[in-house]
Amino acid sequence: EVQLVESGGGLVQPGGSLRLSCAASGFIFSKFWMSWVRQAPGRGLEWLANIKEDGSERNYEDSVKGRFTISRDNGKNSLYLQMNTLRGEDTAIYYCATGGSWFINWGQGTPITVSS
Amino acid sequence: EIVLTQSPGTLSLSPGERATLSCRASQSVRSGYLAWYQQKPGQTPRLLIFNASNRATGIPDRFSGSGSGTDFTLTISRLEPEDFAVYYCQHYGSFPRTFGQGTKVEIK
Repeated sequence: EVQLVESGGGLVQPGGSLRLSCAASGFIFSKFWMSWVRQAPGRGLEWLANIKEDGSERNYEDSVKGRFTISRDNGKNSLYLQMNTLRGEDTAIYYCATGGSWFINWGQGTPITVSS
Repeated sequence: EIVLTQSPGTLSLSPGERATLSCRASQSVRSGYLAWYQQKPGQTPRLLIFNASNRATGIPDRFSGSGSGTDFTLTISRLEPEDFAVYYCQHYGSFPRTFGQGTKVEIK
């Protein structure tokens, strides 16, 4: 069974940083593109970034480009999202998902609140 | 960036009725690279359709997708009680990937 478990969320002040992790199991992690998607409270879904199987290609949504960095460690079956210079509008639940195009499997998400 | 506009915002229907949800793109979606998701309150999104018309594994055949270019449709042939939820379209024909704002299908 595919499992994706996010961690690392919490309360952070504006301008602060957080690093999210996503632990993957139940599939061959190194053979899949992976993505991060977020959902602000009561709002819709927003794709943030994706990364190729070997990490050689990364793509970002414009509002996070230069602030967020997606990475992966295939030896640890883990996906990461380093988030810097956080803003109030980054408050959301952050999901990791399998796939770089459509998203088949989703984690339960980790909530981030950016507030002073 | 391709903007996806879903309509209607809310669809009020009764179980057994047919639901037709629209997703219109601001520019042509390459090769029909469009997906549909269902999200229930407190749950994560569930992939229903990819490549505009292909049902994902385990999705009942009452769900069907169609369309190309800029106009796409998700049809639920006969609504079951568990189908009342929010539905999102999402394109992957270019970067950035974007989602529509969602259509809520509620019980009338």
